[in-house]
Amino acid sequence: QKEVEQNSGPLSVPEGAIASLNCTYSDRGSQSFFWYRQYSGKSPELIMFIYSNGDKEDGRFTAQLNKASQYVSLLIRDSQPSDSATYLCAVVFPSNAGGTSYGKLTFGQGTILTVHP
Amino acid sequence: NAGVTQTPKFQVLKTGQSMTLQCAQDMNHNSMYWYRQDPGMGLRLIYYSASEGTTDKGEVPNGYNVSRLNKREFSLRLESAAPSQTSVYFCASRQTSGDEQFFGPGTRLTVL
Repeated sequence: QKEVEQNSGPLSVPEGAIASLNCTYSDRGSQSFFWYRQYSGKSPELIMFIYSNGDKEDGRFTAQLNKASQYVSLLIRDSQPSDSATYLCAVVFPSNAGGTSYGKLTFGQGTILTVHP
Repeated sequence: NAGVTQTPKFQVLKTGQSMTLQCAQDMNHNSMYWYRQDPGMGLRLIYYSASEGTTDKGEVPNGYNVSRLNKREFSLRLESAAPSQTSVYFCASRQTSGDEQFFGPGTRLTVL
């Protein structure tokens, strides 16, 4: 079974703090990892993607990938109230038949983040 | 550029009724996807279309059918709606050479 698990949350942090969101996945052969942000009542929007082990930084966001531990995380520095949303981890799992995966995403259940002033 | 559009935004059905959810994209993307989102369960893939003329099942296809009408449009049909199909439905598209999926605004469906 191909699974993506996120820390259950909800997560509450004060404004200006670092928010840490975590995700584990079941297939060691996975190559593509995504973090989506979803505001209440809205559609998911991509904020980060990562393919290689290590850190990838984009502004206040840092994605971290450890393929050996099957673990991907998202750090949000200097958190703002506007960062309050549900964060979804998504993974492209390898195809069972060995062919292309066609970009199919498997999502975790999401972590609700609240940044309070 | 409208991106990915979905109609309707809201729909209430009675058990056993049928309906079609429409999705269109104007980004010339090859691949299109239908997901459903239930509380506390993230998004789950119902069906996808890797390219015009092809469709395939995702994780939760039972009770649904799809049609890739042309490169722009990908519709999702519920032949006989059940209360278990109450959910928010998202359509998404992706260019074959890229990884990012772009999502439509969603359809909130209630089956009574």
